[in-house]
Amino acid sequence: ETGVTQTPRHLVMGMTNKKSLKCEQHLGHNAMYWYKQSAKKPLELMFVYSLEERVENNSVPSRFSPECPNSSHLFLHLHTLQPEDSALYLCASSREYGVRNTEAFFGQGTRLTVV
Amino acid sequence: AQRVTQPEKLLSVFKGAPVELKCNYSYSGSPELFWYVQYSRQRLQLLLRHISRESIKGFTADLNKGETSFHLKKPFAQEEDSAMYYCALGSGSARQLTFGSGTQLTVLP
Repeated sequence: ETGVTQTPRHLVMGMTNKKSLKCEQHLGHNAMYWYKQSAKKPLELMFVYSLEERVENNSVPSRFSPECPNSSHLFLHLHTLQPEDSALYLCASSREYGVRNTEAFFGQGTRLTVV
Repeated sequence: AQRVTQPEKLLSVFKGAPVELKCNYSYSGSPELFWYVQYSRQRLQLLLRHISRESIKGFTADLNKGETSFHLKKPFAQEEDSAMYYCALGSGSARQLTFGSGTQLTVLP
């Protein structure tokens, strides 16, 4: 599949579990992003990677741990989450980081439920 | 700090009627404004950006710096326009996107 692909599409996990979300892009983009979309709240930027280096971390709790092994893959490792972390997690990519008027390309998201 | 406000969570219009989705922003610098759209069961995607000054699927949006607005307009709504619309502001040296909370548009037959 072209574009930005996220797996799994749905995930249910207990508070003591460890799980990972995966994002893959085949667009040749250098920047990748994790967003959180909670019910009744706007999309919130969590992390930004540019050329595999983390450049932004928007006060996200340490129970969320990102990893970017190469410019095509981005992971979000989850550990000891809380029920309020249940949300839609969106991955996005863009051609370059920090360039004006750059379009962001989004994946379809992972719907996470913490029980 | 930057902020994007979309005052309408839900908006319903009849097919063929004009539609306007409101967006106001707060930012002290030079803004970049975007509209993103999410159709049912599809991913979030760019609809248009202010810098392009183009019409996409009949939609236009004009940046009004005096009113700090970037309202999305279409003169004749179609049923296929039903979707969730997000206004977004690019700002800062990182050009980070700040999204509004979205407006769910329903075009009735």
